[in-house]
Amino acid sequence: SQTIHQWPATLVQPVGSPLSLECTVEGTSNPNLYWYRQAAGRGLQLLFYSVGIGQISSEVPQNLSASRPQDRQFILSSKKLLLSDSSFYLCAWSVVRMTSSRTNYGYTFGSGTRLTVV
Amino acid sequence: KQEVTQIPAALSVPEGENLVLNCSFTDSAIYNLQWFRQDPGKGLTSLLLIQSSQREQTSGRLNASLDKSSGRSTLYIAASQPGDSATYLCAAPDTGRRALTFGSGTRLQVQP
Repeated sequence: SQTIHQWPATLVQPVGSPLSLECTVEGTSNPNLYWYRQAAGRGLQLLFYSVGIGQISSEVPQNLSASRPQDRQFILSSKKLLLSDSSFYLCAWSVVRMTSSRTNYGYTFGSGTRLTVV
Repeated sequence: KQEVTQIPAALSVPEGENLVLNCSFTDSAIYNLQWFRQDPGKGLTSLLLIQSSQREQTSGRLNASLDKSSGRSTLYIAASQPGDSATYLCAAPDTGRRALTFGSGTRLQVQP
């Protein structure tokens, strides 16, 4: 069965420090991968998505970046964190099968990382 | 660009009531729609996935319907329980971006 791992669960980082959040998927190949962010009491905001190794689409210009060094690994990074980066970060994956009626098997989310920048 | 709206934003009901959560989306060229549940401080749990060829999908006390032509979906919860208290999120694909667009959610509280 497919599983998604996201770590760490919580993180407290000082302003100006670097960031690296990792997400890995098991049990599937060539998934679409996503990073979302959810500020307190607000909806989910798409940050990045990737349809393949090295292919990253950015949705929101900011001091965050994403990389996909392996098929099932997605990394969210920052060189210098800002206070405004404090949020709940969620990784997700999906697979699309090009059958006669294109079917997406839905999105599965990781358990999230709560980042507090102090 | 897909936009998803959920009504109501919050709902408080006594235990045992049947309730309906509403979701509307602007781009009806979707191949599916997904409902999620989120408990406070937690990730998202998928509840139901409705393919565009389906009208509805059922799981236990949950039933989700999809009307692409009108750009609407509803989540019906039968015989609500305190354990159903959570935020319910509706999400529709934004085919241009190959990603999900989420509504802002309905925060449900079921009173014992």
